[in-house]
Amino acid sequence: DGGITQSPKYLFRKEGQNVTLSCEQNLNHDAMYWYRQDPGQGLRLIYYSQIVNDFQKGDIAEGYSVSREKKESFPLTVTSAQKNPTAFYLCASSIGGASKNIQYFGAGTRLSVL
Amino acid sequence: AQSVTQPDIHITVSEGASLELRCNYSYGATPYLFWYVQSPGQGLQLLLKYFSGDTLVQGIKGFEAEFKRSQSSFNLRKPSVHWSDAAEYFCAVAPSGTYKYIFGTGTRLKVLA
Repeated sequence: DGGITQSPKYLFRKEGQNVTLSCEQNLNHDAMYWYRQDPGQGLRLIYYSQIVNDFQKGDIAEGYSVSREKKESFPLTVTSAQKNPTAFYLCASSIGGASKNIQYFGAGTRLSVL
Repeated sequence: AQSVTQPDIHITVSEGASLELRCNYSYGATPYLFWYVQSPGQGLQLLLKYFSGDTLVQGIKGFEAEFKRSQSSFNLRKPSVHWSDAAEYFCAVAPSGTYKYIFGTGTRLKVLA
């Protein structure tokens, strides 16, 4: 089955700790995205990558970092600099190319602070 | 600045009743338009999309949406709601020629038995 796998489903962060959220896709998509979802605020773009070894900041990149070493993987690290990390994080991918770009989503990771 | 407005935060309808969820966008040209649905604790599933052509678009689960250029709107409709339609619905806009989506804040649908 083709799709996007996010892990873990639930994650807890201690004060001062960095945590990494995994996102893997087997859709052979070039582009991948990370969103943060807070109640009543919709989805906000953190980072996106159009191609391997390249990524761009989204609207709320501060306190987050990413890498794109493989086409199928786009991990997100929530660093200790992110003071309010509690949220639902969604990863998405699309075939790439700016024309008719449909994004497909994973099931999400819920991050909470201990 | 580009924006998407979903004016209804919550909507409650009875099972079997018709449904319309509103979406308005602010953008100079015609963007690509999408509706997604999200069940609690889950990711987003694409319901339907509009790129060009016929302004009435059919999607999955019996949903349809109509693009009205003059009103900058892309409202989602369903003639008869089922209890399983209870979820949160998001409208999204992608300015043509870009990767980035702009999401509305969502409308949470409750269905009464």
